Amino acid sequence: QSVLTQPPSVSGAPGQRVTISCTGSSSNMGAGYDVQWYQKLPGTVPKLLIYTNNNRPSGVPDRFSGSKSGTSASLAITGLQAEDEADYYCQSYDSSLSGSVFGGGTKLTVL
Amino acid sequence: EVQLVESGGGLVQPGGSLRLSCATSGFTFNNYALSWVRQAPGKGLEWLSTITNSGSNTYYADSVKGRFTISRDNFKRTLSLQMNSLRGDDAAVYYCARARMGTTFAFEIWGQGTMVTVSS
Repeated sequence: QSVLTQPPSVSGAPGQRVTISCTGSSSNMGAGYDVQWYQKLPGTVPKLLIYTNNNRPSGVPDRFSGSKSGTSASLAITGLQAEDEADYYCQSYDSSLSGSVFGGGTKLTVL
Repeated sequence: EVQLVESGGGLVQPGGSLRLSCATSGFTFNNYALSWVRQAPGKGLEWLSTITNSGSNTYYADSVKGRFTISRDNFKRTLSLQMNSLRGDDAAVYYCARARMGTTFAFEIWGQGTMVTVSS
């Protein structure tokens, strides 16, 4: 059971907008620690999608956006495409654990 | 081109030891924090350990604290993970990851992973 809670699954039709939530606590996001988001396609290595809450590395489409407020964060994906079907993970630092932590992951299904 | 290449995975008996290595190229090694992350079969990503660019600070997940040791050789551009007292739940694909410049825990570049199997 991770200290960062994500829904196990979300789904959406092509072209739609979906959001994935990540709920933390006062020892991680609530303490001001940044959140990252990663995409993991089957058989591939994780890919950094969003860093420091809302920044995209070069090459990541602007269909992906991140936000953070208080003890929670969200990843939004607009214009959903079949290739977006993957597992998505949030990640932050937790002061009570004195280390980093990943959320449990959310499986995105494109209908 | 930035590259991270893990090695050292394999089959080990419960209670045994294994040393993973991550050879790097294509960037100024001692400018970046490095980490190990694993993914067990059918499970999510699990952060294990991070070492800062100078090697002066290390961080460990509770699940491996006291059993695993992270280290880096800034001359050989290599990251290592010494794993002792291995258990069945340590079986996973182990990834090394480089942080994004200016961060410690934003894992920007990942290796392809090396598989560790723990079984008698």
